[in-house]
Amino acid sequence: DTGVSQDPRHKITKRGQNVTFRCDPISEHNRLYWYRQTLGQGPEFLTYFQNEAQLEKSRLLSDRFSAERPKGSFSTLEIQRTEQGDSAMYLCASSFGQGAFNEQFFGPGTRLTVL
Amino acid sequence: QQPVQSPQAVILREGEDAVINCSSSKALYSVHWYRQKHGEAPVFLMILLKGGEQKGHDKISASFNEKKQQSSLYLTASQLSYSGTYFCGSDYGNNRLAFGKGNQVVVIP
Repeated sequence: DTGVSQDPRHKITKRGQNVTFRCDPISEHNRLYWYRQTLGQGPEFLTYFQNEAQLEKSRLLSDRFSAERPKGSFSTLEIQRTEQGDSAMYLCASSFGQGAFNEQFFGPGTRLTVL
Repeated sequence: QQPVQSPQAVILREGEDAVINCSSSKALYSVHWYRQKHGEAPVFLMILLKGGEQKGHDKISASFNEKKQQSSLYLTASQLSYSGTYFCGSDYGNNRLAFGKGNQVVVIP
């Protein structure tokens, strides 16, 4: 049973560049979440998918951010025209999404540094 | 909607007990607890539902007071591996988790 995987693990980019991150959830999980975490804070919700449908987006997700989950499998998070304030750890989580329990399992994260 | 976690930090010796708390100002559907070590992803520990059901690791115990909208995590006979930052995630029934700022736990020999 492989866990959630994310790629790349680290990304350094210059301000104004576009970046894309990938998340592969646990195979039987139909829900996929993106969070952002900065130093000393808990994860902040960005968006989530049920299968291929993006059901909710946080106000934190400006129009520079876009996420997709084609065919309900892996997901990508793209940030356009990066800003220094985008520097953070981007975490992906997945859950089975059925039944009363909805525990989310996190991937190792992608650490983004915007210079 | 961010839950409040207390105490901010705990230092305890191996074998000692500690309690960490998570409080919400809104009615909760469930509370999720995670432990995160430096540079690593949060690891799922426990989920507690309103109504009393819970699911998680056998060695972790927790409670959920629905009247107070408060959850507590009990670190019993602490081990060095318990060190890390503990986050509670509040689920208000909208399929997203709102996390607190964390309880930093340091277990020393």
